[in-house]
Amino acid sequence: GAGVSQSPSNKVTEKGKDVELRCDPISGHTALYWYRQSLGQGLEFLIYFQGNSAPDKSGLPSDRFSAERTGGSVSTLTIQRTQQEDSAVYLCASSLGGRVGNQPQHFGDGTRLSIL
Amino acid sequence: GENVEQHPSTLSVQEGDSAVIKCTYSDSASNYFPWYKQELGKGPQLIIDIRSNVGEKKDQRIAVTLNKTAKHFSLHITETQPEDSAVYFCAPAGGGTSYGKLTFGQGTILTVHP
Repeated sequence: GAGVSQSPSNKVTEKGKDVELRCDPISGHTALYWYRQSLGQGLEFLIYFQGNSAPDKSGLPSDRFSAERTGGSVSTLTIQRTQQEDSAVYLCASSLGGRVGNQPQHFGDGTRLSIL
Repeated sequence: GENVEQHPSTLSVQEGDSAVIKCTYSDSASNYFPWYKQELGKGPQLIIDIRSNVGEKKDQRIAVTLNKTAKHFSLHITETQPEDSAVYFCAPAGGGTSYGKLTFGQGTILTVHP
């Protein structure tokens, strides 16, 4: 079946512009995570969704970052007024979620974001 | 929060040799211990995982061992092949209010020479 799909795969934009990154999770997966991978910080957690709710936003680095999820499926990560330090690969993962303990997370191939 | 250390940072082996990567974590509440493989331009791929009630798990050439008392777990790859060359990450996770979020180690670059 289809895996986690992210778009666009690459995005180049000018400093100060807003960007939207999209994630299509695996069908039936109720849990969705966003992570960021950069040379300086490694792989770090940003936000977690269970259904359409985000009980953990603790990893969002500033109020310029926001995310939403609609219909318990697609999620969008928005970065406003982009800065050069936002340049990174943004990864989305999904899992079965629920209350049965940790479920394996499956990752997309990410969006490589470059801020000029 | 969870502190994760992964060693070594680079590992070079000859084809057919074994490779071992160790991950040390700080949060005693961690109860899920996956290993991911990442190839250039791709997202991390889950290769094996273990839960806290099990000490060892094996899947063909790959195994994971867990020592909860010492708070470390290790990835073992036997009979390495050139296609095993990649970056490997450990990413322990806890339950409850951690919501299963993964805390990644710094990664190990494994190179398998033909």
